[in-house]
Amino acid sequence: QVQLQESGPGLVKPSETLSLTCAVSGGSVSSSCCFWSWIRQPPGKGLEWIGYIYYSGSTNYNPSLKSRVAISLDKSKNQFSLTLTSVTAADTAMYYCAREGDAFDMWGQGTMVTVSS
Amino acid sequence: EIVLTQSPGTLSLSPGERATLSCRASQSVTSNYLAWYQQKPGQAPRLLIHGASSRATGIPDRFSGSESGTDFTLTISRLEPEDFAVYYCHQYGGSPRTFGQGTKVEIK
Repeated sequence: QVQLQESGPGLVKPSETLSLTCAVSGGSVSSSCCFWSWIRQPPGKGLEWIGYIYYSGSTNYNPSLKSRVAISLDKSKNQFSLTLTSVTAADTAMYYCAREGDAFDMWGQGTMVTVSS
Repeated sequence: EIVLTQSPGTLSLSPGERATLSCRASQSVTSNYLAWYQQKPGQAPRLLIHGASSRATGIPDRFSGSESGTDFTLTISRLEPEDFAVYYCHQYGGSPRTFGQGTKVEIK
């Protein structure tokens, strides 16, 4: 059973960079089966796809965030990471990592990130 | 970008009743790559249906999905107490991936 676990700071200052990591267990980020994705959800609102990375290292980002986002892969640690630059209060959200196999079939529990000084 | 519009926003029903949730896509969804998720407070979404009509592993058969062109439907045949939650549709056939705004199924 694949499990995903997000980690990272819960508080980030405006204009700084948000960095999160998703550790994968029970499966491999080196597998060609799936895309490894980040999704976020502002408090009380809906879901927004941020982007994904494939085992080859190729990425695909939401155009709404493309200029500020990067997703990277660390095969040696079996994890992938998200960086979001120049954050504002609008980036305050629950951040989920997920595996896209048959849709988003596996999710982490999520980590809440608040942007505030 | 494919826009998904869910209706109704809120559905008030009693346990044992049938729930019908709709999701309309602004354009054709490639290969019917349309999924449905259930989300309860404080939890991550859970995949219910993928490929418009295929139940995910471990999902009870009271959940079913169907499609007609760009209209997709999630049906819960008989609501159980644990089914009261928010439901999202999602398309993964195109980029960017997009979600509907959600339908809340609440106890009447």
